[in-house]
Amino acid sequence: QITLKESGPTLVKPTQTLTLTCTFSGFSLSTSGVGVGWIRQPPGKALEWLALIYWDDDKRYSPSLKSRLTITKDTSKNQVVLTMTNMDPVDTATYYCAHRGPNSGGGAWFDPWGQGTLVTVSS
Amino acid sequence: DIVLTQSPDSLAVSLGERAAINCKSSQSVLSSSNNKNYLTWYQQKPGQPPKLLIYWASTRESGVPDRFSGSGSGTDFTLTISSLQAEDVAVYYCQQYYSIPWTFGQGTQVEIK
Repeated sequence: QITLKESGPTLVKPTQTLTLTCTFSGFSLSTSGVGVGWIRQPPGKALEWLALIYWDDDKRYSPSLKSRLTITKDTSKNQVVLTMTNMDPVDTATYYCAHRGPNSGGGAWFDPWGQGTLVTVSS
Repeated sequence: DIVLTQSPDSLAVSLGERAAINCKSSQSVLSSSNNKNYLTWYQQKPGQPPKLLIYWASTRESGVPDRFSGSGSGTDFTLTISSLQAEDVAVYYCQQYYSIPWTFGQGTQVEIK
């Protein structure tokens, strides 16, 4: 059974850097084809894909946020870390990590997802 | 960016009746290399993360009830719930994974009439 769980601060100040950790079980990020992504959802709004890291350390970022995002993995710890710099109140959202669906071609659907963590950006 | 526009934004359907949600893409998500549509559907219940229902536009995820079905190709897609159950009350999202950035529709709220 695949499970993922997000952890990190619930409150950050504007201009600060957010660091979120996704700890997972039930799969290995060293297995060919595997990936872990991050998706966020502002309160009452739609989903927005942020970043994804593959088993071979290849990375994909949303172009609109690429300059602010870094995704890394620690295979031995079964963790993926997302950092987002220069946080702003508009970045207030629930941040989810999710397992990349197998055989998603060149893209990625996500299954399953973690429960998410709400991050509020406020001074 | 590929923009996905869902319609309607919300719908209310009687128990046992059919519900249909449309997802229109600003460009085709059909790959000529493998003839597959790079589109998926999720269900999100209040306070929960999204749950995968359908991938490749019409392939039902294991364990998803067969009252859920996906159809369409190219730029126009539909998620159909053939007989709405109380537990189907949720927001439904489509997502394209054809090109980066992978994008989601704005969501459709399904309620019981």
